Amino acid sequence: AQSVTQPDIHITVSEGASLELRCNYSYGATPYLFWYVQSPGQGLQLLLKYFSGDTLVQGIKGFEAEFKRSQSSFNLRKPSVHWSDAAEYFCAVGDSSYKLIFGSGTRLLVRP
Amino acid sequence: EPEVTQTPSHQVTQMGQEVILRCVPISNHLYFYWYRQILGQKVEFLVSFYNNEISEKSEIFDDQFSVERPDGSNFTLKIRSTKLEDSAMYFCASSEGANYGYTFGSGTRLTVV
Repeated sequence: AQSVTQPDIHITVSEGASLELRCNYSYGATPYLFWYVQSPGQGLQLLLKYFSGDTLVQGIKGFEAEFKRSQSSFNLRKPSVHWSDAAEYFCAVGDSSYKLIFGSGTRLLVRP
Repeated sequence: EPEVTQTPSHQVTQMGQEVILRCVPISNHLYFYWYRQILGQKVEFLVSFYNNEISEKSEIFDDQFSVERPDGSNFTLKIRSTKLEDSAMYFCASSEGANYGYTFGSGTRLTVV
């Protein structure tokens, strides 16, 4: 069965520092992969997605993610974090019937 | 930018009561979804809906749950007799086609006491 693992429940970084959020997936075929962000009181906003092609994908708000098939990973990165990036981040894989299977999320805290 | 609107944002209900969570999807979208997130847990798929019928439902979506598109604009999730374990954030989403182009609403936090 498909699954998504986000091994870090919380991550704290200083403003201006770089960020990497980890995501590992289990899926038999070529995966469709997503990162969503949820700010307090807000819905789930799509940051970026990978379907095929270039394994480094660019998203909104300066985020990028790299698909590594050999590691079954799709880690999210940002070179310089802003205080407004504090939120919960969800990795997801899309199954063949267009459902999304989410990881348990990583809460990002940003130190001033 | 078009939005998916959910009401209410918070609802508190007594165990055993019926609740209806409401969603207004984006107007030209044809596919509709409900997901939920129990506090501290994963976001989980509940049900998908297209052409006035359920396309797929998870094992969570038992006989206590139902969905409806009563008037061509609203999309509702009804829980017939709420249990404590139904307390969660419920997200509605819609997409234009059978694809992953979801737009999520901001959620309804349901608390069953």
